[in-house]
Amino acid sequence: DARVTQTPRDKVTEMGQEVTMRCQPILGHNTVFWYRQTMMQGLELLAYFRNRAPLDDSGMPKDRFSAEMPDATLATLKIQPSEPRDSAVYFCASGPGLAGTGELFFGEGSRLTVL
Amino acid sequence: DQQVKQNSPSLSVQEGRISILNCDYTNSMFDYFLWYKKYPAEGPTFLISISSIKDKNEDGRFTVFLNKSAKHLSLHIVPSQPGDSAVYFCAASDPAKGNEKLTFGTGTRLTIIP
Repeated sequence: DARVTQTPRDKVTEMGQEVTMRCQPILGHNTVFWYRQTMMQGLELLAYFRNRAPLDDSGMPKDRFSAEMPDATLATLKIQPSEPRDSAVYFCASGPGLAGTGELFFGEGSRLTVL
Repeated sequence: DQQVKQNSPSLSVQEGRISILNCDYTNSMFDYFLWYKKYPAEGPTFLISISSIKDKNEDGRFTVFLNKSAKHLSLHIVPSQPGDSAVYFCAASDPAKGNEKLTFGTGTRLTIIP
């Protein structure tokens, strides 16, 4: 049963703390995305990788957010320092890349609460 | 700048009737459109898609219509069932940016009333 796995599912932290969210994409998928769900923006793209190379992180606040793919089975999204306005659900998604139809497969999300 | 807009945050429909969810886009370069469905505490899942070379795509109870001149698409669900209650996201892709990069709308919460 191929699926995208995200950890943690829920995270409560205090303002100023570092937060790291992890994602295991579906084996064989070569594109990975980080989205953030907010009421005002819907699903907002934060970062996008193809074959582990970052292609677009224009949606990400550069001063505090960073996204990496240390290897093909792991993507990370780090917030340092975290702020209350970062509270949201963060989704990781993977896809087969340009060979596919554009469909993405999402994880269950990481709900972040920054107090 | 919201390039994909879902102007109805919520919609309630009686079971058995037709549900119509609407989506507008502003980027004329978008050429592929998708609908995703999201249940609480789960990630969005793909529902149906349409290429810009078509104006209709049907899959069981779900049909997506595309009007390129109006930059408008809609999702029809008929008959609506209680299990269809979820948030529906419209998404679009621009080939110049790679087909796999999707721009999403803000979502419409559909509630089916038994």
